[in-house]
Amino acid sequence: LAKTTQPISMDSYEGQEVNITCSHNNIATNDYITWYQQFPSQGPRFIIQGYKTKVTNEVASLFIPADRKSSTLSLPRVSLSDTAVYYCLVGKISSGSARQLTFGSGTQLTVLP
Amino acid sequence: NAGVMQNPRHLVRRRGQEARLRCSPMKGHSHVYWYRQLPEEGLKFMVYLQKENIIDESGMPKERFSAEFPKEGPSILRIQQVVRGDSAAYFCASSAEPGQINTEAFFGQGTRLTVV
Repeated sequence: LAKTTQPISMDSYEGQEVNITCSHNNIATNDYITWYQQFPSQGPRFIIQGYKTKVTNEVASLFIPADRKSSTLSLPRVSLSDTAVYYCLVGKISSGSARQLTFGSGTQLTVLP
Repeated sequence: NAGVMQNPRHLVRRRGQEARLRCSPMKGHSHVYWYRQLPEEGLKFMVYLQKENIIDESGMPKERFSAEFPKEGPSILRIQQVVRGDSAAYFCASSAEPGQINTEAFFGQGTRLTVV
């Protein structure tokens, strides 16, 4: 079970690009990297998922280096509404176990005006 | 994540009562996961179910907690004889059939249980 390490908190200003890095040194060959966002009093919301190199969607980009021991979530031009906790998950849902879908402590991103 | 429906959103129980939390997965999803989140903490995995089967209950407390996902109807997380320490937000997630490609799990809005 790959353990993840993220910064506990980050501050940014509106309009800036925010990069949150997650370390996962013992990632397994079949593991994917998934990021979720959680607002207070709400369930986590899927942001992006990747296996290697770069993935981009309408919300964010995910950069994964060749060794896959870390990943960086990039949020372009953040707004106040992006203030939330961001979780990095590493693993794979298999037919026999969901323990890989394990949340760490997350990163509290605070966007300031 | 609006597709995963949890009810009730808020539940208040007195110590010793039973709490029943319901989760209807997204249409087409047959895999359900329950998580518990204590105030100011991250989500802790509790149990993973497929229709009529418990696949992984390694995160479930040994006593008073049970979960089911019947052939028809929602998944139920049951907490018997609740104690104050059970007060938390309980989240349900669902996913499609896991296969060779990783699967996203979509979460509901949660049920906030308060034990008084």
